Amino acid sequence: SAVISQKPSRDICQRGTSLTIQCQVDSQVTMMFWYRQQPGQSLTLIATANQGSEATYESGFVIDKFPISRPNLTFSTLTVSNMSPEDSSIYLCSVEIGGARSETQYFGPGTRLLVL
Amino acid sequence: SQQGEEDPQALSIQEGENATMNCSYKTSINNLQWYRQNSGRGLVHLILIRSNEREKHSGRLRVTLDTSKKSSSLLITASRAADTASYFCAAQNTGNQFYFGTGTSLTVIP
Repeated sequence: SAVISQKPSRDICQRGTSLTIQCQVDSQVTMMFWYRQQPGQSLTLIATANQGSEATYESGFVIDKFPISRPNLTFSTLTVSNMSPEDSSIYLCSVEIGGARSETQYFGPGTRLLVL
Repeated sequence: SQQGEEDPQALSIQEGENATMNCSYKTSINNLQWYRQNSGRGLVHLILIRSNEREKHSGRLRVTLDTSKKSSSLLITASRAADTASYFCAAQNTGNQFYFGTGTSLTVIP
């Protein structure tokens, strides 16, 4: 299993500013993912972040808006840049341990972001 | 944490055939979601069905939900080789927690 922490747990930000969300895992993992979940909606995959390579972004998400760092096997950051109210959401990181099946995915507690 | 079951665990069909996957869960839910996962990638959302809905369609996907039996099914019609992936259901409760099924590995043979 894995214990994942995220900082901050919540924040209120002004339009046009940027926020960096940190994700820390208590064990070394190869694959980390960033998702967002808007109220009442499903998880939407933003990008896959593997250590030592550029993040892979899903359709509709670009590096300029959501730059990701993955400096080592236990840590990643997601920055939400030039925020607008539409970016208000819960942002979650997850890690995959072991095989490529969902029961091996562990989610962080999420960062609740409100943009005014 | 893991609280769901899916069957079958693996499914192999010919291109053009329909694929049906079933999911059972244990918790009371707000909604149930289906995701697809290609090897080496994260979960990609396919469709969400709310607890007060019984059936939902999206393109070639049809999802049913039976809250009395705590079960759901995903039907992919007219399958294509590109549908080859793992498919997972995720029950989400009112506390915003996810409970994923064990997944069905689908192989569509061209």
